[in-house]
Amino acid sequence: DTGVSQDPRHKITKRGQNVTFRCDPISEHNRLYWYRQTLGQGPEFLTYFQNEAQLEKSRLLSDRFSAERPKGSFSTLEIQRTEQGDSAMYLCASSFPSGPYEQYFGPGTRLTVT
Amino acid sequence: GNSVTQMEGPVTLSEEAFLTINCTYTATGYPSLFWYVQYPGEGLQLLLKATKADDKGSNKGFEATYRKETTSFHLEKGSVQVSDSAVYFCALSEGGGYQKVTFGTGTKLQVIP
Repeated sequence: DTGVSQDPRHKITKRGQNVTFRCDPISEHNRLYWYRQTLGQGPEFLTYFQNEAQLEKSRLLSDRFSAERPKGSFSTLEIQRTEQGDSAMYLCASSFPSGPYEQYFGPGTRLTVT
Repeated sequence: GNSVTQMEGPVTLSEEAFLTINCTYTATGYPSLFWYVQYPGEGLQLLLKATKADDKGSNKGFEATYRKETTSFHLEKGSVQVSDSAVYFCALSEGGGYQKVTFGTGTKLQVIP
């Protein structure tokens, strides 16, 4: 298995545009997480799926953000009407459904909003 | 809520020096504790973990002991190498039905020859 993959790795967009990121988890993992990491900070939890069900969303995830995992495999994170404050690294992670609580992270998608 | 506090960097050490990166946490329950490492240009990797009090996690010469009485999980290595240069994140995860991870702000380590 090649690990968690994310696409694209880099995205530059103009303010007001919509962007969509994709995450492909490790195939045996049924839990999938999205995090956001800004410069000089640790990753911050955004949302979490178990199979296709989105079970929790952070307050950081405004109405402009939506995440889906329609078939319980890959996931997409969409940001509508992007703002400069959305510029960050968006990380995806996946894990098995129960202990040892280890999440495997993808390389991230770096978003720059100009 | 949960939080993780770790020492600010950057930390600059000479090769073969002893490393300590301090980490303390606040949690409502009995969390699992982690150290993640992010090498330049790469994604986050789990370095080591401990799931209950007094457990010691270890990997690649790094160690950290889960100290419930001091709510700490300090990272140590006896002799650092240039290849250890990276950003280190302390993190915790509450038990229960899922494993949302709360991260510290990261400590950048630079090892010079």
